[in-house]
Formats: sequence, C-alpha cells, structure tokens
Amino acid sequence: QSVLTQPPSVSGAPGQRVTISCTGSNSNIGAGYDVHWYQQLPGTAPKLLIYDNINRPSGVPDRFSGSKSDTSASLAITGLQAEDEADYYCQSYDSSLSDVIFGGGTKVTVL
Amino acid sequence: QVQLVQSGAEVKKPASSMKVSCKATGGTFSSYSVSWVRQAPGQGLEWMGNIIPFLGVANYAQRFQGRVTITADKSTSTAYMELSSLTSEDTAVYYCARHGPQCTSTTCHDYWGQGTLVTVSS
Repeated sequence: QSVLTQPPSVSGAPGQRVTISCTGSNSNIGAGYDVHWYQQLPGTAPKLLIYDNINRPSGVPDRFSGSKSDTSASLAITGLQAEDEADYYCQSYDSSLSDVIFGGGTKVTVL
Repeated sequence: QVQLVQSGAEVKKPASSMKVSCKATGGTFSSYSVSWVRQAPGQGLEWMGNIIPFLGVANYAQRFQGRVTITADKSTSTAYMELSSLTSEDTAVYYCARHGPQCTSTTCHDYWGQGTLVTVSS
C-alpha cells in the first residue's frame, strides 16, 4: 500500500486530455514537500517528467503539466498521443517516515 | 552527458546477499546524492536509500534498515548497494538514480541507470 495514492489506470483517445491524481497527507504533500512525476515506458528506466510540482525538464513537451494543491498533486496530459502510453509515478517525501516515497503508479492507455 | 551504468543481471540463492554497482560518467559524481530504487515484477517503484558520495553518508528507507548498505567510491565514481538476507520477494529490477540539482526542497532523480535484474531463487 503506497503512501501516495494514484489511480491504477486512466485512458483516453488520441488528442484528448487525461489527468492523473496523486493523493497524500499532511506528512508529505500537505506538509509542503514538492512532488515530482516520472514516465516509465515499457522495459525502460523511469524518466523525470515534472519536477518541483510544475516544472518540465528540457526536452519534455509542454503537453505535460503538473499542479499541486493541499494534500494532492496532478499530472495532466493534453493532446494525448500513442507514444504517451506508459506508467506514470508521482514522488515526494514523507516526514513521518523520513523516506522518499512513490505513488503506486498509473498506467495510461491510448485508445 | 551524465550516464549511470549498472552491473549485470544476477541470480541469487535465498538467504544470500547481493551487491549491485552503478558507475557514473560525464558528470561530477561526488556532488550529488545517488539513490537506489527497486521495482518488483509488475509492481511500482520503491525507494531503498541514498548516499552523498563526497560525505560518504547514507540514508536508508525504514523497511530496509539493517538489511541494506549503500556505499560509494569517489575514486572510481561508483556507487554500490548491498542487500542481505535475500528472499524471493527481493526479486526485482534495481535502479540507481542521481539526485537532480534542479530540485529544491525534495529529492528528485534526473538520471537513471539502466537497471539490474536480480532474481532470488533456489
């Protein structure tokens, strides 16, 4: 059971917008710790997609955006493309555990 | 360009230990912490701990305390993760990942190794 809760799966047609939620608590996201997002394509290592809640590393398309509010964060993908089919993970820090924590992951399927 | 190159796949017996290496090239190894993250088959990512090479100080996730040891050799820009008392539940792909300097308050990981599959089986 992950400390950060993500939906197991989301899906959308090409061109649509999908969002992935990441729900935490007052000891992690709610305590002000930043949230980062990773994309993991099948059989590959994770790739940093969003850092510090809203920022995109160089090379990440602006179709990907992040937000954070209270005890949760969200990743939005607009203009969904076939190549976006992957697993997505949120990550933060928990002060009660004193650990880096990941969400359970969300599989995005492009219909 | 920073690259993290990990050692190859291993098969281990239950109750034994494993040690995976992660060699960094193309960057300043000692300045940034290196984490170890594992992923069991079909499962999510799990942080195990990290080390700041220039300090030689390691931090471990609570659930691995006492069973994991993370070290670093600055002279070869290599980090190591050793896990003891292996069981079948430790079968996973183990990744090393560098702390991204662009991340302010919370560790993020901007470069990842290719992963090392460790299979624990009798």
